[in-house]
Amino acid sequence: EIVLTQSPGTLSLSPGERATLSCRASQSVSSSYLAWYQQKPGQAPRLLIYGASSRATGIPDRFSGSGSGTDFTLTISRLEPEDFAVYYCQQYGSSPGFGQGTRLEIK
Amino acid sequence: QVQLQESGPGLVKPSETLSLTCTVSGGSISSYYWSWIRQPAGKGLEWIGRIYTSGSTNYNPSLKSRVTMSVDTSKNQFSLKLSSVTAADTAVYYCARDRYAFDIWGQGTMVTVSS
Repeated sequence: EIVLTQSPGTLSLSPGERATLSCRASQSVSSSYLAWYQQKPGQAPRLLIYGASSRATGIPDRFSGSGSGTDFTLTISRLEPEDFAVYYCQQYGSSPGFGQGTRLEIK
Repeated sequence: QVQLQESGPGLVKPSETLSLTCTVSGGSISSYYWSWIRQPAGKGLEWIGRIYTSGSTNYNPSLKSRVTMSVDTSKNQFSLKLSSVTAADTAVYYCARDRYAFDIWGQGTMVTVSS
């Protein structure tokens, strides 16, 4: 079982700043089968990034993903007010799993 | 565009079986994997299992003994049954299209396990 650990647990930033979220896997994630989701209160998660670095349909280009093997990063280049939410990474394989989430809050 | 909608009882008694259905609209259910994911209040996401439209399944090992999934392509629906539920199964249950990443989600349905 691959365990994903996200850091930090909470990130406090201001609109306009750059956000860097980390996701570390307990073993290598094959073929960059790594995705990122955004979840706002009372809503279902929304797919942002798949294949570690490909943006999903309709996702603004301020969101970018990078990494390989066991270390992955989600970067939001310039935070907009609507970006403050919880972010999850996820590995997909025979038994998909999610990280515990990073809460991005307004400073 | 494809939309998913979960349906089923919002309250289930302990030891009974939770049953949910996900209806796919705006597109065909065929030739995709479909998953169930749950989220207890204030907590993270847990993948429950997936089904292909052929009926082949893959379950979370931690839930495998209690989970059964099925698909009805004629109705564009797939279903989840979780047996012997306890309070720990109280959560929002989501269905999602599974293209290895979950690219389309239902709005979720809250299921409470209580007598």
